[in-house]
Amino acid sequence: AQRVTQPEKLLSVFKGAPVELKCNYSYSGSPELFWYVQYSRQRLQLLLRHISRESIKGFTADLNKGETSFHLKKPFAQEEDSAMYYCALQPGGTSYGKLTFGQGTILTVHP
Amino acid sequence: GAVVSQHPSRVICKSGTSVKIECRSLDFQATTMFWYRQFPKQSLMLMATSNEGSKATYEQGVEKDKFLINHASLTLSTLTVTSAHPEDSSFYICSARDSLRGPYNEQFFGPGTRLTVL
Repeated sequence: AQRVTQPEKLLSVFKGAPVELKCNYSYSGSPELFWYVQYSRQRLQLLLRHISRESIKGFTADLNKGETSFHLKKPFAQEEDSAMYYCALQPGGTSYGKLTFGQGTILTVHP
Repeated sequence: GAVVSQHPSRVICKSGTSVKIECRSLDFQATTMFWYRQFPKQSLMLMATSNEGSKATYEQGVEKDKFLINHASLTLSTLTVTSAHPEDSSFYICSARDSLRGPYNEQFFGPGTRLTVL
């Protein structure tokens, strides 16, 4: 069975500082990895997915298969980045679509 | 963009009663929807996959007779918590994928339903 681990429950940084939210996974096949974000009083929404290899709102994430990691990074954090962030894994094959979420990291960006 | 709605947003019921939660895709068709459960300060846990026109598939440990899922149309899936007990109190979230975009597009999430069983 797959597992997603986000070791930091809380992460605080100051505006303009770099931020990295860690995500490690375990899965025997080739997974698809996602980062979802949930702003205060809003629903969960997709931030980015590894196959897109794009930067969204200044965030990037690189899939490192050797380290089984998919850390989320942003060089200069903004106050509006404060939110709950979830790393999620989607397996292939017949289980496609079934997301396994990490525990989530609450990011707080201070002014 | 694709929108998923849930109704009700909040429900309080007495122990032993049944509660129905609706999940609708408002501007797209969804042959597959997913139901998640989220405990306070914890992650989302997949409960079941709702398939239009066929039986839902449940994750291990989820009682299918307790959590009845019906996906009668391409835009509506319902989750019924039968004979609810206080331990069923939780935040239930659904998601849906636009069928016409193929199987590899993103899931869109509903706003969730807060169930409190007294």
